[in-house]
Amino acid sequence: DQQVKQNSPSLSVQEGRISILNCDYTNSMFDYFLWYKKYPAEGPTFLISISSIKDKNEDGRFTVFLNKSAKHLSLHIVPSQPGDSAVYFCAASKLYGQNFVFGPGTRLSVLP
Amino acid sequence: DTEVTQTPKHLVMGMTNKKSLKCEQHMGHRAMYWYKQKAKKPPELMFVYSYEKLSINESVPSRFSPECPNSSLLNLHLHALQPEDSALYLCASSQGQGGNQPQHFGDGTRLSIL
Repeated sequence: DQQVKQNSPSLSVQEGRISILNCDYTNSMFDYFLWYKKYPAEGPTFLISISSIKDKNEDGRFTVFLNKSAKHLSLHIVPSQPGDSAVYFCAASKLYGQNFVFGPGTRLSVLP
Repeated sequence: DTEVTQTPKHLVMGMTNKKSLKCEQHMGHRAMYWYKQKAKKPPELMFVYSYEKLSINESVPSRFSPECPNSSLLNLHLHALQPEDSALYLCASSQGQGGNQPQHFGDGTRLSIL
């Protein structure tokens, strides 16, 4: 049973426009949510996180929004750049635990 | 430039071989992890070491044997693997315990079992 879901396997966006990647979760006990980016032949790279007590966290072009009542979070990238083309994983964790649960990933393609 | 170094990058082995995967970090992180990732799937946690002690074993078969010789090194010893064990094996580290500590990943070892 998938606790973290990313229902869009892929997304294509024009350069300069906004990319919105979505993630849903089922376990209301998660305390933190993280986004990772993965290029081919490389390990995942941490992008941004959000605590369950917040509803928004921003870092440069990346903003994560959390809707706890809907058990939904989204990553906004604006403006999108060709270098953002990668697979994006949503992950969730509990504060007192070391087990991060990853979603299946969304492949983002930013077209020039 | 990854701060978590994994060797080798690629490994091909037979089902009767014994080999080891190595992972090294010099960020002073006290938690280290092994993940297995199959194609088009998310990383799946295998083992967690916290302060050089095994704290999580996600019911991994005994043909995978982790070892943490010191706070900077993490090994994964492989013996009598099966073809279905072919995957990308990722090592990660984090500053401490707790779900609010982002993990830093290495680039992985791509393992193929013949």
